[in-house]
Amino acid sequence: LAKTTQPISMDSYEGQEVNITCSHNNIATNDYITWYQQFPSQGPRFIIQGYKTKVTNEVASLFIPADRKSSTLSLPRVSLSDTAVYYCLVGPFMNTGFQKLVFGTGTRLLVSP
Amino acid sequence: NAGVTQTPKFRVLKTGQSMTLLCAQDMNHEYMYWYRQDPGMGLRLIHYSVGEGTTAKGEVPDGYNVSRLKKQNFLLGLESAAPSQTSVYFCASKEGGEQYFGPGTRLTVT
Repeated sequence: LAKTTQPISMDSYEGQEVNITCSHNNIATNDYITWYQQFPSQGPRFIIQGYKTKVTNEVASLFIPADRKSSTLSLPRVSLSDTAVYYCLVGPFMNTGFQKLVFGTGTRLLVSP
Repeated sequence: NAGVTQTPKFRVLKTGQSMTLLCAQDMNHEYMYWYRQDPGMGLRLIHYSVGEGTTAKGEVPDGYNVSRLKKQNFLLGLESAAPSQTSVYFCASKEGGEQYFGPGTRLTVT
């Protein structure tokens, strides 16, 4: 599984756009990039997943450049409730079968009023 | 649809005591997982199951046992608790490429 590097922490204010970048230089051809969000005292929650270019859903966008060695999670107009730890994971997208997730220490996002 | 539930939410054990953590899911998922999360760290896989009656070791299986007698339940046992097992334990089940996590069990071993 590819090793990922992301900032330990980030600060933002309500209403701003937040971009969290993850570096994964050793990403393999069949690897996907997945982001999970974890609030204090809760289990992680799936946010978004992508392979290349751009993916958007109702909560976030994921930008992946052509070389796929990095990716950026974009959270538009954050609110206080977006304060959480965000994990970037890289590995094969196992639609069926066993899937192993390797969590690093994540990025702790603090949103202030 | 309750998703993934865990029992108990909190527990304090003395060194050497035993206990069982229960994970239940009502989504008919085949795959289930047990993780532990230590302060300031990511999650580490303890054991997992690919279906009813099966179990397998993850990254940190020592000191734990598991059973999956029914598809909807995945039990994690500590036979002789140690202070190093103080942690938050998360259960998850998998559908497609996404894992669904329970709320966690906070275990303290004194």
